[in-house]
Amino acid sequence: TQLLEQSPQFLSIQEGENLTVYCNSSSVFSSLQWYRQEPGEGPVLLVTVVTGGEVKKLKRLTFQFGDARKDSSLHITAAQPGDTGLYLCAAQGGGADGLTFGKGTHLIIQP
Amino acid sequence: NAGVTQTPKFQVLKTGQSMTLQCAQDMNHEYMSWYRQDPGMGLRLIHYSVGAGITDQGEVPNGYNVSRSTTEDFPLRLLSAAPSQTSVYFCATELPGASYEQYFGPGTRLTVT
Repeated sequence: TQLLEQSPQFLSIQEGENLTVYCNSSSVFSSLQWYRQEPGEGPVLLVTVVTGGEVKKLKRLTFQFGDARKDSSLHITAAQPGDTGLYLCAAQGGGADGLTFGKGTHLIIQP
Repeated sequence: NAGVTQTPKFQVLKTGQSMTLQCAQDMNHEYMSWYRQDPGMGLRLIHYSVGAGITDQGEVPNGYNVSRSTTEDFPLRLLSAAPSQTSVYFCATELPGASYEQYFGPGTRLTVT
């Protein structure tokens, strides 16, 4: 079973700062997704990356897929309190059925 | 268009009781799945279905049964609840033609005492 390691597990920063969270594995993925989850709700898809080296931008969020398709990063510029939530990466590949999720990064943006 | 709906929102069971968590979707997606989310464990796949009449086990299927008689509904059954099944349960559908992108319901928080 492939394992997705997310870091850091917890991150608390001030509004306006930049941050990067990571999703790493020893397995190669056919695709990788990032989700954001707010308390009491289900995860919501942010982006899917499929090509090694791919960079996708969603407003202030920048997602990068590693060249070898084993890792990914999420960079947030000028974080805002509305960015607070649990960020999850998920991937399918390496022979596993269905998606495998990382344990997530709990992000708190303080005003 | 309600998307994915789950009922109930909250449930408390005693050990040994049975219950069914309901999941319904109105998007005509073939693929549906059930996950459980526990602190420090992330989301783990319980069972999934690629279409009506077809189900398969995920990573943590023990203690759970599923069936898929229609495209719209995918209930999850706990035959004899155990405290280890205390968790938040999410039903999800998969966007067709996409790279395994999931559309999640709002979840059911289950406590087994």
